[in-house]
Amino acid sequence: AQSVTQPDIHITVSEGASLELRCNYSYGATPYLFWYVQSPGQGLQLLLKYFSGDTLVQGIKGFEAEFKRSQSSFNLRKPSVHWSDAAEYFCAVGPSNDYKLSFGAGTTVTVRA
Amino acid sequence: SAVISQKPSRDICQRGTSLTIQCQVDSQVTMMFWYRQQPGQSLTLIATANQGSEATYESGFVIDKFPISRPNLTFSTLTVSNMSPEDSSIYLCSVEVTDTQYFGPGTRLTVL
Repeated sequence: AQSVTQPDIHITVSEGASLELRCNYSYGATPYLFWYVQSPGQGLQLLLKYFSGDTLVQGIKGFEAEFKRSQSSFNLRKPSVHWSDAAEYFCAVGPSNDYKLSFGAGTTVTVRA
Repeated sequence: SAVISQKPSRDICQRGTSLTIQCQVDSQVTMMFWYRQQPGQSLTLIATANQGSEATYESGFVIDKFPISRPNLTFSTLTVSNMSPEDSSIYLCSVEVTDTQYFGPGTRLTVL
């Protein structure tokens, strides 16, 4: 069975500082990997995804993520955070054959001025 | 991608009653999904709803409690039946487009 672990429940970062959110997955084959962001009171917005190919993927809002098969990780990064990046971030993994997703517990990001 | 709307956006209901949540997408899609997000928690898949077939429910969710309709390729409903305070959650629908799920804004349900 597939599973996702986001080790950090809450991260506080200063505006302008870099951000890295960790995601580890467990899946028997090559997974489909996703990062979503949920702002307060909102639905989920897709930030980026990885299916195959280049292991460094670029997303919206200046985010990027790197797939590392040897570490079963798909960490999300942003070089310089903005106050509007304060939100809940979810990593998700899915197989290619039935499109079901398993979500991590989420990481809450707080941005301080 | 896809643009998804949900109605209602939020509601406060009394225990023992039922609420039907609507999900509308701006393009025809084969697969739609319904999720529950309990307060402070992650998303849990309730069921997969494909047009023309019965919804497939995940472990722990049953049709009597969460009946789903999928009358066409752009619309689905989820009913939360005989509600209790434990059903207070955000309910989200999503659609699959080119191997990616896109989510609606969610319905925030409070049961008193």
